[in-house]
Amino acid sequence: KAGVTQTPRYLIKTRGQQVTLSCSPISGHRSVSWYQQTPGQGLQFLFEYFSETQRNKGNFPGRFSGRQFSNSRSEMNVSTLELGDSALYLCASSAQTSGRGEQYFGPGTRLTVT
Amino acid sequence: GESVGLHLPTLSVQEGDNSIINCAYSNSASDYFIWYKQESGKGPQFIIDIRSNMDKRQGQRVTVLLNKTVKHLSLQIAATQPGDSAVYFCAEDGNQFYFGTGTSLTVIP
Repeated sequence: KAGVTQTPRYLIKTRGQQVTLSCSPISGHRSVSWYQQTPGQGLQFLFEYFSETQRNKGNFPGRFSGRQFSNSRSEMNVSTLELGDSALYLCASSAQTSGRGEQYFGPGTRLTVT
Repeated sequence: GESVGLHLPTLSVQEGDNSIINCAYSNSASDYFIWYKQESGKGPQFIIDIRSNMDKRQGQRVTVLLNKTVKHLSLQIAATQPGDSAVYFCAEDGNQFYFGTGTSLTVIP
């Protein structure tokens, strides 16, 4: 079974631009969560989607948004990029229907904002 | 200003010894706890989990202990191998999913 895939793997953007990251979960998994990982803040939860609905949201500004499609693939968008948005963005999928359960992480998208 | 990186706790162990990695969690309502391993350049990898109605769970070479009284979680790795070198995170799942800051484990051959 293929693992969680994320595209692109690396991205360089400038301040003020917007970016869209994509995540394909493991086949059959309906829960997709997004995380931001930085040296300064560690791993922080962004949001979780289940069956195309946002189920939980972390404490990030509204510039961070996401969505999930009917095939469970998910995208996250960051608008008006700031230097502090430079991070590794991780996506994780789970087969759990209630709660997140055992999550499987993708390799991440490394975003650099200049 | 200059950003300050997280100071990760570090643990160095001799190959073949047992490792114990500790974690304090914050939310007494969390009912599910997980340990992850993250190698350089990769996403976190699930190691073992435990629900709040248990205090111990064993896997292959790994044991997780949960002490709800003091909100403490530990991961024990038996016969540590060089391939175990990585950053280890505990995570708690309550209303949200919170990761600890991580511990960097180095195995000395």
